[in-house]
Parts: sequence; C-alpha cells; structure tokens
Amino acid sequence: DVKVTQSSRYLVKRTGEKVFLECVQDMDHENMFWYRQDPGLGLRLIYFSYDVKMKEKGDIPEGYSVSREKKERFSLILESASTNQTSMYLCASSDRGNTDTQYFGPGTRLTVL
Amino acid sequence: GENVEQHPSTLSVQEGDSAVIKCTYSDSASNYFPWYKQELGKGPQLIIDIRSNVGEKKDQRIAVTLNKTAKHFSLHITETQPEDSAVYFCAASDYKLSFGAGTTVTVRA
Repeated sequence: DVKVTQSSRYLVKRTGEKVFLECVQDMDHENMFWYRQDPGLGLRLIYFSYDVKMKEKGDIPEGYSVSREKKERFSLILESASTNQTSMYLCASSDRGNTDTQYFGPGTRLTVL
Repeated sequence: GENVEQHPSTLSVQEGDSAVIKCTYSDSASNYFPWYKQELGKGPQLIIDIRSNVGEKKDQRIAVTLNKTAKHFSLHITETQPEDSAVYFCAASDYKLSFGAGTTVTVRA
C-alpha cells in the first residue's frame, strides 16, 4: 500500500526558531513535493524535487528551504519561523512525469507563536 | 504561471442529489486535470483525473468533463451519499500541479 508519512501531526514553535518538517515515502518515487494549505487558498507549492539532491522552487518558496539527501526523504526547513508561516503543511510524492498521481501524507499543522 | 479558479467554495446537497463543481484554468499548455478529495484529518487523495485528449471520463458515481477551448473542467457526483462529504480540489498541470481553492461539500441526510 502506498505510504507517505510526515514526522509530526501537530507542531508548535516560537518565532525565530528553526523548524524541520520531515517526509518519508516508501514507493521509490522520483518526485517529492511540499505544499502549504490555507483556507480559501487551496494548496500552494513551496518546493519540489525530481531527484536526490535536486530541488526546484515552487510558487511560494520565500522563507523556506528543502533538503533531499536520500530518495525516500524530503525535508522542509523554516530557517527562522514567523507567525505568517502558521499553516498546514502537506508532503506528496509521485512517480516520473508531471501527470502521475501525487500521493499525500496526512499533513503537519504548524503553529508559530 | 497557471491560475486555477474553483466554484463554489461551499456546496450543500440532499443525499441522493447530484453535486457539480466547476474549475477554470488559464494556461493553454496544461494537459492534465486531476481531482482530489480531502477528508477530515487526512491528506488529499486522487479520485479521478482527465487528460487533454479526452472530453469526459466516468468512474461509477463520479464523472469529469473537460472543455479545452473554454479552459474549464467540472466534477459531477451523482446519487450523493454521506461519505461524499469532504473538501474537493481541482488541479491543472503543465509541468507542475496548480490547485484550486477547494470546495467543501456537505451531504445532508
């Protein structure tokens, strides 16, 4: 069965803290994605990766960075968390190609105080 | 980049009735149009998709139509059931997915 797991379901951090969100997929997928989900805005792409050590900016990369050292793991990093980064963060993976199904993890609800 | 608009934002239907969600997109290069369903506390899950060389696709009670000339596509759910209550997202892709804002569907028993 397809599985994308995220390290935390809920996370509370303080302004200025460095935050790591981890995502692991067990499907040997090439592509991995990080989205944030906000009411009325849908899902917005932060970063994606087509291969190990490869990354590409999405639509809203400001304030975020990513790391993909292994094929199955894709990390989202908030270098200095701010209150406007309070959101639901969703990780997804897909096989090759832009028309392949994306499989999503359950999400991490991050609150920055 | 691609801009996807989705309507309505909320939809309440009586059990057994049909539900229709409509989306428009801006980039004529988009060639893949998936629909995702998100239940409470879960990540979105693909329910149906359509590619630009097809006008309509059906899977049991769910159907999707695509009009490339007008740049719009729609999701139709027939004979709605309580388990259809969820948030539905449309998306369009040229080389990456762009999502609509979502539609919260409530099926009244």
